[in-house]
Amino acid sequence: GAVVSQHPSRVICKSGTSVKIECRSLDFQATTMFWYRQFPKQSLMLMATSNEGSKATYEQGVEKDKFLINHASLTLSTLTVTSAHPEDSSFYICSAQDSSGNTIYFGEGSWLTVV
Amino acid sequence: GEDVEQSLFLSVREGDSSVINCTYTDSSSTYLYWYKQEPGAGLQLLTYIFSNMDMKQDQRLTVLLNKKDKHLSLRIADTQTGDSAIYFCAEKGGGYQKVTFGTGTKLQVIP
Repeated sequence: GAVVSQHPSRVICKSGTSVKIECRSLDFQATTMFWYRQFPKQSLMLMATSNEGSKATYEQGVEKDKFLINHASLTLSTLTVTSAHPEDSSFYICSAQDSSGNTIYFGEGSWLTVV
Repeated sequence: GEDVEQSLFLSVREGDSSVINCTYTDSSSTYLYWYKQEPGAGLQLLTYIFSNMDMKQDQRLTVLLNKKDKHLSLRIADTQTGDSAIYFCAEKGGGYQKVTFGTGTKLQVIP
């Protein structure tokens, strides 16, 4: 089946620095990718929809200047957490839809810890 | 907005069947999904069903959809300890619309 890969799987960064998370669709092209955040023991919260070649669409309450999303190619979307703070520590998951728009595949997730 | 509800916890004995239930509010839902999440991992797509279907079976998994009541269920036959995880149902409309997730049901399988 289709595979979506995220990197890094775990990252620790210092408060005030920026960190980039990559999401790649390995065997299919994805014009649309999604970024989610998951707090412990909670469901997934959609942060933004990433569209190839255009600006991302952010959900209400998500700071677009803090969570920069770039979808430069049909197989790669990146999420950059800028000026990270400890409250940004979380599990971030991306997903990509196949060309039919029917099936959605998730990456393995990235654990971000800001110290 | 769309809302997807699930019970938070289910405990079954190994070898029994598990039934995880989900209700949703969006009458325009076109696709409904079941995902499995093991601790510290991403989401694994288990199965999905189109809204014009009533049932879908895939090996040990059976999905039932009651569109009138907006109720979706996932039955796992012969539940194994490896099935212990959190199960999310999710729904979306047609095309490239965002997916709305349920709260997740933690399945505990007792040996």
